[in-house]
Amino acid sequence: DQQVKQNSPSLSVQEGRISILNCDYTNSMFDYFLWYKKYPAEGPTFLISISSIKDKNEDGRFTVFLNKSAKHLSLHIVPSQPGDSAVYFCVEYGGSQGNLIFGKGTKLSVKP
Amino acid sequence: DAGITQSPRHKVTETGTPVTLRCHQTENHRYMYWYRQDPGHGLRLIHYSYGVKDTDKGEVSDGYSVSRSKTEDFLLTLESATSSQTSVYFCAISGGLQVEAFFGQGTRLTVV
Repeated sequence: DQQVKQNSPSLSVQEGRISILNCDYTNSMFDYFLWYKKYPAEGPTFLISISSIKDKNEDGRFTVFLNKSAKHLSLHIVPSQPGDSAVYFCVEYGGSQGNLIFGKGTKLSVKP
Repeated sequence: DAGITQSPRHKVTETGTPVTLRCHQTENHRYMYWYRQDPGHGLRLIHYSYGVKDTDKGEVSDGYSVSRSKTEDFLLTLESATSSQTSVYFCAISGGLQVEAFFGQGTRLTVV
């Protein structure tokens, strides 16, 4: 059973509006999550993370929210820009060896 | 950008032939990982290393072996390539106080 679920394979928003990408998880030993962004033909790049001691983490236009009771997290991008068009992966920190558990990804398209 | 180099970047090989992919880092990070990315699956961990000559299996390790004889190099070998191993392979590194891993550019492998 998949541990990290991104139920929306794709999302399309207008430039300047908010993008909200959602993620649900089943069981997490560490309650530490990351978001990665991936452009075609490139490796994933780290975007933002959140730990269980927080319910929100903000970095510029990017904010991640964590709702532990609902086992849900979301990434907000405000305002969205065409350069944000990419695949976004919700990722769970897997343990002391540092391995990461990826969701299937959501493809975000930001239209000018 | 983290110093990670994957080689080759693209490879086409025939079923049944051995294939070795190389990951080279210049960051002196302790942990190195091999992931594969397939449509509908996100990234899945194949093998990882937590030090020279210290490796362990990930989620999808069948048909793959790894070796790490030096801190900077992590090799992934397909002993006898199959069409199901057609994929994009990513190497990643992590270490120090950071939880996030840094990914290479990927190797696109096609087994015909």
